[in-house]
Amino acid sequence: AQSVTQLDSQVPVFEEAPVELRCNYSSSVSVYLFWYVQYPNQGLQLLLKYLSGSTLVKGINGFEAEFNKSQTSFHLRKPSVHISDTAEYFCAFNAGGTSYGKLTFGQGTILTVHP
Amino acid sequence: DAEITQSPRHKITETGRQVTLACHQTWNHNNMFWYRQDLGHGLRLIHYSYGVQDTNKGEVSDGYSVSRSNTEDLPLTLESAASSQTSVYFCASQIGPAGEQYFGPGTRLTVT
Repeated sequence: AQSVTQLDSQVPVFEEAPVELRCNYSSSVSVYLFWYVQYPNQGLQLLLKYLSGSTLVKGINGFEAEFNKSQTSFHLRKPSVHISDTAEYFCAFNAGGTSYGKLTFGQGTILTVHP
Repeated sequence: DAEITQSPRHKITETGRQVTLACHQTWNHNNMFWYRQDLGHGLRLIHYSYGVQDTNKGEVSDGYSVSRSNTEDLPLTLESAASSQTSVYFCASQIGPAGEQYFGPGTRLTVT
C-alpha cells in the first residue's frame, strides 16, 4: 500500500538553529513529492515540490528538500529558523498515473520555534 | 488574482440536518478535491472530481456527497449530519495530474 510517514510528530527548536523534518514514502511507482505548511487557522500552502530533475529542491521561505530515491525519503531542511516558521508541516506524494492527481498525506509535523 | 474560496468559514449545525459546504475556484482547474482534517489523522480524502459531471469517492466518503455542474464549483453535502463529522473541511483544486493542489482556507464544522 502507498503511504507517507513523517517520522516526528513534534519538533521543538530554538530560533536561528537548523531544522530537519523527516518524511519517508512507500510506493511501487515513481512519485511526485510535496511539502505543505499550515499556519494556525489557515489552509495549506505549498512550500516546495519535486516532479523530476535535480534531487535538491528549493522552496519558499528558505526551505529546501532532497529527494532520495534509494531511501524513499524527502526530508525538509532549513539552515536557520525564525519564530514565524512555527506551523504544521505536511509531506505528500502523488503516485502519478496510478493516482491521477490524488495526494497521500503524512500525519504532519508540528514545528515550534522558541526564542 | 485567481483563488479558491470556501463558505461558510464556520458552521454549527444539529445532528440529522443536511449541510452544504461551498467551494469555488477561479483558476479554471479541472481537478477538485474535498478533505477533512482531524487531530491524529492528517488530511483524508472525501470526494474528488476530474471535471464537469465527474465525481469519485475518496477514502472517507460515507455520509457525504458532491456534485459538479460547472468547472468552478464543487459543493460538499452532508446528507444527515452526525457528531463524527465535526471537523475542519478543506477544498483544493489542481490543474492536472502531476501538479500541486491549491487549498482553500477551510470550513470549521461543528455538529451538536
